[in-house]
Amino acid sequence: EAAVTQSPRNKVAVTGGKVTLSCNQTNNHNNMYWYRQDTGHGLRLIHYSYGAGSTEKGDIPDGYKASRPSQENFSLILELATPSQTSVYFCASGDGRGANTEVFFGKGTRLTVV
Amino acid sequence: GEQVEQRPPHLSVREGDSAVITCTYTDPNSYYFFWYKQEPGASLQLLMKVFSSTEINEGQGFTVLLNKKDKRLSLNLTAAHPGDSAAYFCAVSEDYGNEKITFGAGTKLTIKP
Repeated sequence: EAAVTQSPRNKVAVTGGKVTLSCNQTNNHNNMYWYRQDTGHGLRLIHYSYGAGSTEKGDIPDGYKASRPSQENFSLILELATPSQTSVYFCASGDGRGANTEVFFGKGTRLTVV
Repeated sequence: GEQVEQRPPHLSVREGDSAVITCTYTDPNSYYFFWYKQEPGASLQLLMKVFSSTEINEGQGFTVLLNKKDKRLSLNLTAAHPGDSAAYFCAVSEDYGNEKITFGAGTKLTIKP
């Protein structure tokens, strides 16, 4: 069973503070993603990665950085958190194998910036 | 870039009735199409994936129709039951190996007894 684990599951941060959201996958997938989910917007792609050492900007990267130190781990970093970054964040992994393409999601992290 | 419009944002049907959710997309190169289900407070669960060579896929209690000419994807729940109450998201990605998946805004489906 494909597994994507996010930590923490809930986080309250102070405006201007630094926040790191962590994601670990045991699927040996090359691709990993960070999405945020807000009412009325579905899931929007923030950053993604094709493998260890690579990070790519998604559709809404401003205010976020990403780090992929290994195949298994992908972090999302908010250097200066703002209330507009209050959201639910989902990490996902996938293997990009054409017809077998499937993306597996973690359980999400609820971030509140006050 | 790809844009995916999903309708309706909210849908309420009676148990046993059918429910239809539709997505339209803009990129003619889109090749892979997905429907996800999300129950309250939970993650996204893949319902079905559809490829360019497939027009109709049937699952357990639902049918997915892909019309590439109109760039339209639909999910039809044939006989809704309470367990179908959830948010549903369509998603679209480009060619082989590109997993930059673009999601629709979602449909919150409520099944009334």
